[in-house]
Amino acid sequence: EAGVTQFPSHSVIEKGQTVTLRCDPISGHDNLYWYRRVMGKEIKFLLHFVKESKQDESGMPNNRFLAERTGGTYSTLKVQPAELEDSGVYFCASSPPGQANTGELFFGEGSRLTVL
Amino acid sequence: AQKITQTQPGMFVQEKEAVTLDCTYDTSDPSYGLFWYKQPSSGEMIFLIYQGSYDQQNATEGRYSLNFQKARKSANLVISASQLGDSAMYFCAMRELQTGANNLFFGTGTRLTVIP
Repeated sequence: EAGVTQFPSHSVIEKGQTVTLRCDPISGHDNLYWYRRVMGKEIKFLLHFVKESKQDESGMPNNRFLAERTGGTYSTLKVQPAELEDSGVYFCASSPPGQANTGELFFGEGSRLTVL
Repeated sequence: AQKITQTQPGMFVQEKEAVTLDCTYDTSDPSYGLFWYKQPSSGEMIFLIYQGSYDQQNATEGRYSLNFQKARKSANLVISASQLGDSAMYFCAMRELQTGANNLFFGTGTRLTVIP
């Protein structure tokens, strides 16, 4: 069974440009999460989808970030326009339905974003 | 306030020896779950072990055990018989179960290096 896949693995863009990160969760996983780790700091929660609905987006830093999960399958996270402080590793994770509270999250390998 | 604190940025251990990675947490939620994840150089976050706040016994998974001391709010990870493949970043995380939020709070991580 395929795990959580993320694309691209690494993206280098200039300040002001737009980047779209994609996450394909494990098939059948209703819960999809985005996290971000800025260098040297803790991994921080961005938002949580249950199927196509945003369950919790309290961690989204500002309106330059837009996450979508049309159809409840893959998700995209768009940063527009990108700023220097957006650099970091963006992790996607998924979990099966009903396990949002106690179950483990299955993470992807992350998308490293570098904004110059 | 930091919800998860990992005070050891880096740790070294001799192959075949045991090592303890420290984690303390802060929450007022009476019901919570504690997780440890491993992040090898490939980038993927791999779930290791889970401890529920009401679990009477310390969680164990193969060579991993969680030394859960509720009164001290600590959830240290013990790796026995270290192997070279254990070299990685290790993240402690917590989910607060009564708040209704599903996000994990992570620490800053500990980089473990196993010395042959």
